[in-house]
Amino acid sequence: KAGVTQTPRYLIKTRGQQVTLSCSPISGHRSVSWYQQTPGQGLQFLFEYFSETQRNKGNFPGRFSGRQFSNSRSEMNVSTLELGDSALYLCASSLSQGGAGELFFGEGSRLTVL
Amino acid sequence: AQSVTQLGSHVSVSEGALVLLRCNYSSSVPPYLFWYVQYPNQGLQLLLKYTTGATLVKGINGFEAEFKKSETSFHLTKPSAHMSDAAEYFCAVGGMDSSYKLIFGSGTRLLVRP
Repeated sequence: KAGVTQTPRYLIKTRGQQVTLSCSPISGHRSVSWYQQTPGQGLQFLFEYFSETQRNKGNFPGRFSGRQFSNSRSEMNVSTLELGDSALYLCASSLSQGGAGELFFGEGSRLTVL
Repeated sequence: AQSVTQLGSHVSVSEGALVLLRCNYSSSVPPYLFWYVQYPNQGLQLLLKYTTGATLVKGINGFEAEFKKSETSFHLTKPSAHMSDAAEYFCAVGGMDSSYKLIFGSGTRLLVRP
């Protein structure tokens, strides 16, 4: 059974640009969550999608957005990039939504903003 | 509201010694509790979880954790550390309600000395 796949694994952008990250969940998983991981702030919840609907949202500015497609694949977008957006972005899928189920994580997309 | 506190950002033990990583949580509902491990340049992997039932939970790689409601704690232990246990460990709290997301602690980096 294939795990959670995130693309791209590494990317470099400059301030003001935008970026789109992709996540393919484990087959059969309908919940996809996104987390931002930085040395200073740790793991911070961005948002969760379940059956194409955003179910939960963390405390991030509107520059951070996401969506989920009918096949459960998800994308997140960050517009007008800032230096502080440099981080490892982790996607996780789950059978159930919310905080009740085990999360299966991808290896992450490491974003560097110059 | 839910929160997680992990005491000690770094813990160092000798190979063969007891591993104890501390986690305290705050939750307004019966918590679901998790421990995850992250190896360098990888995503997070579930070690063990507590939802209901037995308060002593056994996980992979010889780890176990005990849910103590009176102390609001969920400490992770392993009787004998191995070099391969060196990694970062995250405690997380969730809940059975779909409105609850998984909230992670700040992480504890475990160093194992030969």
